[in-house]
Amino acid sequence: GQSLEQPSEVTAVEGAIVQINCTYQTSGFYGLSWYQQHDGGAPTFLSYNALDGLEETGRFSSFLSRSDSYGYLLLQELQMKDSASYFCAVKWEGGSYIPTFGRGTSLIVHP
Amino acid sequence: NAGVTQTPKFQVLKTGQSMTLQCAQDMNHNSMYWYRQDPGMGLRLIYYSASEGTTDKGEVPNGYNVSRLNKREFSLRLESAAPSQTSVYFCASMDRSGANVLTFGAGSRLTVL
Repeated sequence: GQSLEQPSEVTAVEGAIVQINCTYQTSGFYGLSWYQQHDGGAPTFLSYNALDGLEETGRFSSFLSRSDSYGYLLLQELQMKDSASYFCAVKWEGGSYIPTFGRGTSLIVHP
Repeated sequence: NAGVTQTPKFQVLKTGQSMTLQCAQDMNHNSMYWYRQDPGMGLRLIYYSASEGTTDKGEVPNGYNVSRLNKREFSLRLESAAPSQTSVYFCASMDRSGANVLTFGAGSRLTVL
């Protein structure tokens, strides 16, 4: 089966940098995605890594190491609005492309 | 606006009642998914449909049925609701090109008494 591990909660102050880690175990791995979800809202896509290395999108970056089955989301210049839950998700092939999510990391940004 | 539309947004049921959650997308995506979200459990896949005419079980299918009515619509049915099915349900569709981005509906909050 598939399993993903990420910290349940991370706290940081405004303006800081925070890293949210994700380790996974899956067969037929295709790629690792990150989603953001504010309280009461729907998850929204942040980034996707299919190959090893760093992908940068504005203040957010995502990293993947396929050999270590590990990735992380890096958030820079934290703002209060970044307080949300962040989910890593692996895309694997079990006959079809099936996204499986981790349990999520609650990021709390303090002033 | 293009996206995924779910109805209803809120529903309260009594144990044993049945209901159908409706989902429609207008992005011409082939794949559609139903997830449930419970506190501390992340998003767990109930059923998915890789393409029109096909459906498959996900991680937690018991107590649910689905219908892929056409390319746009994918419904989730609870035949005999149980309190354990109290949850927030999200429908999503996926673009299978490039990053395979999941686009989610706004969610349906279901309470079973």
